[in-house]
Amino acid sequence: AQSVTQPDIHITVSEGASLELRCNYSYGATPYLFWYVQSPGQGLQLLLKYFSGDTLVQGIKGFEAEFKRSQSSFNLRKPSVHWSDAAEYFCAVARGGYQKVTFGTGTKLQVIP
Amino acid sequence: DAGITQSPRHKVTETGTPVTLRCHQTENHRYMYWYRQDPGHGLRLIHYSYGVKDTDKGEVSDGYSVSRSKTEDFLLTLESATSSQTSVYFCAISGTPDGTNEKLFFGSGTQLSVL
Repeated sequence: AQSVTQPDIHITVSEGASLELRCNYSYGATPYLFWYVQSPGQGLQLLLKYFSGDTLVQGIKGFEAEFKRSQSSFNLRKPSVHWSDAAEYFCAVARGGYQKVTFGTGTKLQVIP
Repeated sequence: DAGITQSPRHKVTETGTPVTLRCHQTENHRYMYWYRQDPGHGLRLIHYSYGVKDTDKGEVSDGYSVSRSKTEDFLLTLESATSSQTSVYFCAISGTPDGTNEKLFFGSGTQLSVL
């Protein structure tokens, strides 16, 4: 069965600092990988996705993620965090389409001035 | 954002009562999903639908049933609500009319409290 691990429950960064959120997955074949963001009281919004091809994926709001097969990782990065990035971030893995998507438990990002 | 409306947005009910949550989409997407979100568990799939009257179970389907009689509506029913079903419920859709299935769009959620 596929699974996703987000080892950091909560992260605090200073505004303007760089950010990296970790995600490790378990899946036998090449997975479909996603990062979603959830603001308080809202649904989830897709930041970026990886299906195949270039392992460095660009997303919205200045985020990027790199697929590393050897490490079973799909870490999310942003070079300079803004206060509006404070939210909860979810990594997800799917095998061929959205019918079987498994979400991680999420990482809450706090941004301090 | 995709046109997804969940109703009600908030509901408080008592243990043992039936509850129905509604998801309505205006996008003519093929697939519809119900998730629940709980602290420490992320989102977990309850049921999903791949067409009118075609549904299947997800990871945490016990105690829930669904129906999809029209493309635009997907109902989630708790036949006899329990306190363990207190959660935030999200509807999602995917599968555009032109056949692509690259994005999963979420509704704004329903906060359900079972007392």
